[in-house]
Amino acid sequence: AQKITQTQPGMFVQEKEAVTLDCTYDTSDQSYGLFWYKQPSSGEMIFLIYQGSYDEQNATEGRYSLNFQKARKSANLVISASQLGDSAMYFCAMRDLNSGNTPLVFGKGTRLSVIA
Amino acid sequence: DAGVTQSPTHLIKTRGQHVTLRCSPISGHKSVSWYQQVLGQGPQFIFQYYEKEERGRGNFPDRFSARQFPNYSSELNVNALLLGDSALYLCASSRLAGVGNEQFFGPGTRLTVL
Repeated sequence: AQKITQTQPGMFVQEKEAVTLDCTYDTSDQSYGLFWYKQPSSGEMIFLIYQGSYDEQNATEGRYSLNFQKARKSANLVISASQLGDSAMYFCAMRDLNSGNTPLVFGKGTRLSVIA
Repeated sequence: DAGVTQSPTHLIKTRGQHVTLRCSPISGHKSVSWYQQVLGQGPQFIFQYYEKEERGRGNFPDRFSARQFPNYSSELNVNALLLGDSALYLCASSRLAGVGNEQFFGPGTRLTVL
């Protein structure tokens, strides 16, 4: 079974600073995908970034980068130059890529608050 | 293109009642998945449908059921509501049901059971 652990219930960051949100995962699958989603208070889950287990380079999408350390089973999200609009819940998720129809497994999330 | 839409946005029911939640996927997407997100937790998988067939089911009781229509929209039905069913219900669509396909989420339906 797959499991995602996010150990930071809440984080604070000063505007324009960088912040790292932690995510560790557990799986026996060899091929899997790791995702980060942002959930503002409105409730919608917004896809941020994806990393495949066989991708050799860390994924980047604008101000978001994923620090993927396969041996340590970690997939931390780094947000550079934080903005007030980044304040939201952030969820790490994963899915098995070996077989079809596998759902996303989510962690409990980290609430990020950006301070002016 | 319009994103995933869900209706209603908010709903209040009492214990024992029945509820139907609706989801319209992004145009061209044939797969719809439903997730339940209780307060303080991450979303939990309920169902996935592809081409009108159930392709996956999470660990939820038989009170939960769903279906997908020929236009790929979907309904989630919950019978005999319990207080614990209060949650945000999220619908996600993807182009295919297969591996690695990114799921796009709708805004959710907030269900409150009194």
